[in-house]
Amino acid sequence: GDSVTQMEGPVTLSEEAFLTINCTYTATGYPSLFWYVQYPGEGLQLLLKATKADDKGSNKGFEATYRKETTSFHLEKGSVQVSDSAVYFCAPSNAGGTSYGKLTFGQGTILTVHP
Amino acid sequence: DAGVIQSPRHEVTEMGQEVTLRCKPISGHNSLFWYRQTMMRGLELLIYFNNNVPIDDSGMPEDRFSAKMPNASFSTLKIQPSEPRDSAVYFCASSLGQKDSPLHFGNGTRLTVT
Repeated sequence: GDSVTQMEGPVTLSEEAFLTINCTYTATGYPSLFWYVQYPGEGLQLLLKATKADDKGSNKGFEATYRKETTSFHLEKGSVQVSDSAVYFCAPSNAGGTSYGKLTFGQGTILTVHP
Repeated sequence: DAGVIQSPRHEVTEMGQEVTLRCKPISGHNSLFWYRQTMMRGLELLIYFNNNVPIDDSGMPEDRFSAKMPNASFSTLKIQPSEPRDSAVYFCASSLGQKDSPLHFGNGTRLTVT
């Protein structure tokens, strides 16, 4: 079945540091790829997505590029803020015709940014 | 857009009691998903529906768990009887059901079974 491996956390950074959270996946077919963010006490929110190879998703200064050859979708941000402290989830969609948009989530990476 | 609405936000119950969690998806979305989140197991997909029909319930842990979607605007997840190991945050999410459709999550129900 489909699976995803995320960089283990927690990740602790100082404000304005560069962030990378690695994500690799296995999937049959040609999935779309998503990053979600979860703030304390809330549900998951879509951060960005990419739907085909070499697409770059971006939002709020975060970026991730769909790398089909390495089956990766690493999340990056050039300068993190304290408000970026949250849990980040990588998720490929299942490409099968009967999956109806089902997502397989990674284990999540806790990010803490200090002032 | 009101988003996905879940109720209650918090539920505390005693072991053996029946628990019903409720979800109202975003209008127009045709896929609905129930996830469970715990520290130990992360996010687990329990069951999902498309056009109100259950598609895959292989993630439902035991027969004590059941889910229904009687119409396009309402779904329930029921646990009977509840056990302490069912304590978790339960999320409902909905989407347009396509490969590139993002899931929209509710704020979850935090269930505590004592």
